Amino acid sequence: GQNIDQPTEMTATEGAIVQINCTYQTSGFNGLFWYQQHAGEAPTFLSYNVLDGLEEKGRFSSFLSRSKGYSYLLLKELQMKDSASYLCAAHTNDYKLSFGAGTTVTVRA
Amino acid sequence: DTGVSQNPRHKITKRGQNVTFRCDPISEHNRLYWYRQTLGQGPEFLTYFQNEAQLEKSRLLSDRFSAERPKGSFSTLEIQRTEQGDSAMYLCASSPGGGIGNTEAFFGQGTRLTVV
Repeated sequence: GQNIDQPTEMTATEGAIVQINCTYQTSGFNGLFWYQQHAGEAPTFLSYNVLDGLEEKGRFSSFLSRSKGYSYLLLKELQMKDSASYLCAAHTNDYKLSFGAGTTVTVRA
Repeated sequence: DTGVSQNPRHKITKRGQNVTFRCDPISEHNRLYWYRQTLGQGPEFLTYFQNEAQLEKSRLLSDRFSAERPKGSFSTLEIQRTEQGDSAMYLCASSPGGGIGNTEAFFGQGTRLTVV
């Protein structure tokens, strides 16, 4: 089966940096997705890592280490609107996404 | 294109009733997925279609659940004899298919089911 682990909650101050870690154990691994989900809304795509290394996209960056089964999402210059749940999902070669339980990030003023 | 559309957005039903949800994917997306999400959890895979073919069903999908995608476009998810444990958000997603570069799944707003 698939096993995706990420912290349940994180709190940070506006303007700060937060790093959300995700570890995974899957078979047929293709790549790692990060989605953002505001309460009551659909998940929206943030990033997809296939190769090892860091990919930067504005204030958000995502890192993958395939050998360690590890990824992180880095949120910089936090804004109040970044308060949301962040979902880590492993994409496998059967074309499915297996999600972690999500990390709820709360940004305080 | 308006993205993935799901109807209804909310459904309240009495235990034992049947319910049906509809998903209209992004046009020309080959793959269509159904997920279920409960409060504080990530989406759980239920089933997915490649065009009109249902390729995989999760063991979470009991015999009370059935999904169809008759013409490879919209899909329906039916739950028969609903139980209180079926209360959840049912999410539909679609992706273009065909290669690593076309794997991003776009989600609909979901249908929130409450069984009373």
